[in-house]
Order: sequence, then C-alpha cells, then structure tokens
Amino acid sequence: DGGITQSPKYLFRKEGQNVTLSCEQNLNHDAMYWYRQDPGQGLRLIYYSQIVNDFQKGDIAEGYSVSREKKESFPLTVTSAQKNPTAFYLCASSIGPGVQPQHFGDGTRLSIL
Amino acid sequence: GENVEQHPSTLSVQEGDSAVIKCTYSDSASNYFPWYKQELGKGPQLIIDIRSNVGEKKDQRIAVTLNKTAKHFSLHITETQPEDSAVYFCAASSGTASKLTFGTGTRLQVTL
Repeated sequence: DGGITQSPKYLFRKEGQNVTLSCEQNLNHDAMYWYRQDPGQGLRLIYYSQIVNDFQKGDIAEGYSVSREKKESFPLTVTSAQKNPTAFYLCASSIGPGVQPQHFGDGTRLSIL
Repeated sequence: GENVEQHPSTLSVQEGDSAVIKCTYSDSASNYFPWYKQELGKGPQLIIDIRSNVGEKKDQRIAVTLNKTAKHFSLHITETQPEDSAVYFCAASSGTASKLTFGTGTRLQVTL
C-alpha cells in the first residue's frame, strides 16, 4: 500500500541533543512538508520541499533543519537550538508543486527528558 | 501572511443531527480550501476540499461551501454518526507552493 511512514512513533530527547525524525513516502510525490502540532493549536509549517535537493523555510523554521537527497525521504532534525521541542510532528506529501492535496503520515511525538 | 480562524472550538451534537464548522481567511489570493479529520494519535486525513472557482462541493454526508466575497468557508456534516467524532481542521492555501495555513481545530463529539 502506498503511504507516508513516520518513525519512530515516540521519541525522547535529552537537553542539548539533536534528534532526527524520519519521513518516507512511496507515493512518488515530488513535494514534502513538515508541520508541528501543539495542543489546542493548528498545524504550523516548519519546512517544505517541492523537489529533490531543494527546500524552503516555513513559518517556524528556527531550531530545525532538513535535507532532501532522495525523492522518497525528507528527514527533519530538531537541533538543540529549538528551545521548546516537545510537540507532535507531522510529515506530509503532495503530488507536486502548486496547489495540490496534502496527505499526512501518523506523526512522531517528541518529548524532552 | 494568511490567517485562518475556525469556530467553534468544540461542538457536541446528537447522533443523526447536523454539524457545521466555520472558517474565515484573510488572504484574498487564497484559492484552495481543504478540510481534515484527525483522530487521536493519528495524522490528519483529507475528507473534502474545494477550489476558489467552485461555490459548493458535496461527498455523501459531507459538504463544503465557499463564499469568496466574505472570505469564509464551512463544513457541513449531515446525519452524524459516533464515528464522526474527531478533531476537524480547515486550511487555506495561496500561491504556487502549496503552503497550507491551518485553523486551530474543532473537536466534534457525536453523542448517542
């Protein structure tokens, strides 16, 4: 079945550590996105990539980094510069650039020890 | 940038009744408006969407209406069922990069 796989489901980080969240899709989609979800809030865009080897900052990119070396993969690194990293992180993809429906994975919940 | 407001934040209806969730947006250039359903511990699932050249779209018990002049759009669920209980998000997209701006969500509870 085609879809978006996020791993792990739950992740714990110590203060001062970087941590990388995985996102893989087998939908052959060109565009991929990372969102952050906090309780009682909507989703906020961290980074997005419309094509391999290219990505742009979203609304809350500070303290995060991404790479897009392969079409099917868009990992997100939460760096120690992110002061409040505890959140639910969601990855999405769409068929291509432009206004297209986005389809989401089931998220990774990151907590600080 | 775009700002999307969503109301109400919580909604409780009896099984079989209708539910309506409303959103307003600020950017008149926005041209795509999806609605997502999110169940606990899961990612959002696209349930219906509408583009700015259409005023209304229906899919079985779900319908979305768009008023471009007033910059608001609404989700209508008829004959609600317990499995409709979830958090619903509206979103708006403008420009060419598929950037979505989300509302803050509506928790819908369908009671027996």
